Amino acid sequence: QKEVEQDPGPLSVPEGAIVSLNCTYSNSAFQYFMWYRQYSRKGPELLMYTYSSGNKEDGRFTAQVDKSSKYISLFIRDSQPSDSATYLCAIPLDQGGKLIFGQGTELSVKP
Amino acid sequence: KAGVTQTPRYLIKTRGQQVTLSCSPISGHRSVSWYQQTPGQGLQFLFEYFSETQRNKGNFPGRFSGRQFSNSRSEMNVSTLELGDSALYLCASSFGYGGALLYGYTFGSGTRLTVV
Repeated sequence: QKEVEQDPGPLSVPEGAIVSLNCTYSNSAFQYFMWYRQYSRKGPELLMYTYSSGNKEDGRFTAQVDKSSKYISLFIRDSQPSDSATYLCAIPLDQGGKLIFGQGTELSVKP
Repeated sequence: KAGVTQTPRYLIKTRGQQVTLSCSPISGHRSVSWYQQTPGQGLQFLFEYFSETQRNKGNFPGRFSGRQFSNSRSEMNVSTLELGDSALYLCASSFGYGGALLYGYTFGSGTRLTVV
């Protein structure tokens, strides 16, 4: 079993839709959870991160962690064509730069 | 300010050859990590350097190596290239060690390596 699992999609939605992106993880000791966005031909950029359980909101984006079910989610409200990208969940494994990434979900928002 | 610069952007090599990729971090950043991205395996951690020392290593064969210079620029080398090494190689820089959580990482746009 992979440490982080993510449905690769692709996911296509109409502009204005609410998007739900999800990952599951295997190790209950994980505490920090991150979401990265990667545009085509670019490197990933950090969208937001959360610690432990609960929600964190940043504009149209909400990250949610459910540690009891080892499930992390990213919600995008009022999705825009500019949100079309690959979204990757990531978990830091130690104090350094070692992150484990989900497979990434390719999102397309149609005007 | 300038971002993370990776050169070259694209590279085509033949099986059995070796290749060196370069990464110039953001000015002032001292930590550099390397990742391999493929459609099948996704993003996988290769190694991390801080102050010219390798601090962490992923599960890759010894053909993959790297180094960091005193100006924080980093290079990674892959010897005896295999077809499966075809990937996007990404470099990420951070102000200090512990970057993912403490300082955040900035990724470059990557080097696309194709092995034929």
